[in-house]
Amino acid sequence: GAVVSQHPSRVICKSGTSVKIECRSLDFQATTMFWYRQFPKQSLMLMATSNEGSKATYEQGVEKDKFLINHASLTLSTLTVTSAHPEDSSFYICSASYGLNQPQHFGDGTRLSIL
Amino acid sequence: QKEVEQDPGPLSVPEGAIVSLNCTYSNSAFQYFMWYRQYSRKGPELLMYTYSSGNKEDGRFTAQVDKSSKYISLFIRDSQPSDSATYLCAMSKEDKLIFGTGTRLQVFP
Repeated sequence: GAVVSQHPSRVICKSGTSVKIECRSLDFQATTMFWYRQFPKQSLMLMATSNEGSKATYEQGVEKDKFLINHASLTLSTLTVTSAHPEDSSFYICSASYGLNQPQHFGDGTRLSIL
Repeated sequence: QKEVEQDPGPLSVPEGAIVSLNCTYSNSAFQYFMWYRQYSRKGPELLMYTYSSGNKEDGRFTAQVDKSSKYISLFIRDSQPSDSATYLCAMSKEDKLIFGTGTRLQVFP
């Protein structure tokens, strides 16, 4: 149980393109979803927390206009990287939790490469 | 000082060895403690989830929490080459996870 699906797994696109990443909880309702960024050989950095039906809470230093998050239902959250540039290239991972103080379950990540 | 400290390794052990992975933390507000395993180019996979001091066992894995010393451990018995991965400790504070840097483990046949 507690499966989180993330799509796409790999994106390569030109600078200036906007990229949308989907995160779905397949077998549970996720009250909260999280978006992380991970650089090579480093740990996960939390970008934002989203609750279904409300605005996402962004961590300090994360541009909300650059990284748009939508959490339209209890099973789906999306992250849109707007007008992506090479410095946005990274591994983006989502996670979902089904309640307060419950563990987070992670998707398999999206490797984003901006040329 | 980081809130969570974890030795990055790499740790290289022969198949069948007992592996000990550790994290220390500074914030006594942490309530829940987790261990995740992350294979290359994949998301972290939850291995263990605990909230009280003591031991919790699941198959070949044992998680240990010592809140008085602010120290958590993960033991892997009879390690296998398939256990080769990065192991991340994580602790929760106000529903956010604070991760250690991860320890790379290599189990060789």
